[in-house]
Amino acid sequence: NAGVTQTPKFQVLKTGQSMTLQCAQDMNHEYMSWYRQDPGMGLRLIHYSVGAGITDQGEVPNGYNVSRSTTEDFPLRLLSAAPSQTSVYFCASRPRAGEADTQYFGPGTRLTVL
Amino acid sequence: AQSVTQLGSHVSVSEGALVLLRCNYSSSVPPYLFWYVQYPNQGLQLLLKYTSAATLVKGINGFEAEFKKSETSFHLTKPSAHMSDAAEYFCAVNQAGTALIFGKGTTLSVSS
Repeated sequence: NAGVTQTPKFQVLKTGQSMTLQCAQDMNHEYMSWYRQDPGMGLRLIHYSVGAGITDQGEVPNGYNVSRSTTEDFPLRLLSAAPSQTSVYFCASRPRAGEADTQYFGPGTRLTVL
Repeated sequence: AQSVTQLGSHVSVSEGALVLLRCNYSSSVPPYLFWYVQYPNQGLQLLLKYTSAATLVKGINGFEAEFKKSETSFHLTKPSAHMSDAAEYFCAVNQAGTALIFGKGTTLSVSS
């Protein structure tokens, strides 16, 4: 049971480039989400999904796209990277969207945009 | 909307001293509250969670937190700090069954 996995661990992009951050979970969790972590800002929600085929925006969705074609995978796409997107990105999942469910986090992807 | 506020972005204690990390929440409905810990260059790990079963919640590594509705607080404590407790700690509230909303975090430093 690998839990929540993220690839790559590190990435450097040039402004305007596109890329996809991969996230997968093997726990059959319905709910998945993406956060970005910036110094002094805590974790801010980018997008989330309550099940395959269903996604919604979080607090800071601009510049990011997501899709959820399977229960296991929830990729995050940067269409045209900007320096403001330099951050550490965390994917998370939990069994359902229930309030009491524990959320599990991946190890993170550290992204630098030059 | 629900939110959490962590008082103090940085807390320093000596090894063996009491650890107290403060979290206040804002919610119009009974909240579900969480504390997570993040060690350097790692993801977040659940310490404990409050789900209304008991106001005093015990977690891993000797941490506990008490839910106080009258004070809208969920402070994290540990009687005796260890060097290995040095990390960043996040309080979070589950909003409307969908999003986990985090505070800005408190960095705990432990000196010998």
